[in-house]
Amino acid sequence: NAGVTQTPKFQVLKTGQSMTLQCAQDMNHEYMSWYRQDPGMGLRLIHYSVGAGITDQGEVPNGYNVSRSTTEDFPLRLLSAAPSQTSVYFCASSYRRANTGELFFGEGSRLTVL
Amino acid sequence: QQQVKQSPQSLIVQKGGISIINCAYENTAFDYFPWYQQFPGKGPALLIAIRPDVSEKKEGRFTISFNKSAKQFSLHIMDSQPGDSATYFCAASTTLKNYGGSQGNLIFGKGTKLSVKP
Repeated sequence: NAGVTQTPKFQVLKTGQSMTLQCAQDMNHEYMSWYRQDPGMGLRLIHYSVGAGITDQGEVPNGYNVSRSTTEDFPLRLLSAAPSQTSVYFCASSYRRANTGELFFGEGSRLTVL
Repeated sequence: QQQVKQSPQSLIVQKGGISIINCAYENTAFDYFPWYQQFPGKGPALLIAIRPDVSEKKEGRFTISFNKSAKQFSLHIMDSQPGDSATYFCAASTTLKNYGGSQGNLIFGKGTKLSVKP
């Protein structure tokens, strides 16, 4: 039972480079989201999706792009990496109409931008 | 604007003691208040959650107390154990009536790092 799988777990980029963080879930969850976690800042929502073909911005969307072509996958693209994007990124998913609202998180992708 | 304020930032408790973490919110439309637990190198995981129609919810050694008039809620960990050492996040969201009553995006507090000393 894989749950939410994120790749890569670690990545080092140079300023200006682009890359994609991958996220896949095998629970047939309609809702998927990306958070970034920085020391002392908690978890902040970057982008989210309520289903295939539907995405929207969260609290800190600048510098990131997402798409949702399938229910299973929700990649996060960094268009031109900046040192301010050094962070741990978490992908999460849930049933769209779950009464509990429980989010299932991946184990994170640690990104360093030099 | 921080919608969910969490305190303290860090907490050290002796084994067997009570750990208390507090959160306050501003948006009265919030109607779902979960607590997440995160161990180093792992993603957060749901610990316990409450809705504002009850004032307290208990699951094992973990209890949420909720004060709707004060717009505050807290997590109590009874008989704290070294294995409880982790970072705890409170969160809040609203019900999206236009989406079949599902929950909206979670707004997280900044987290509390709990260390339980043996």
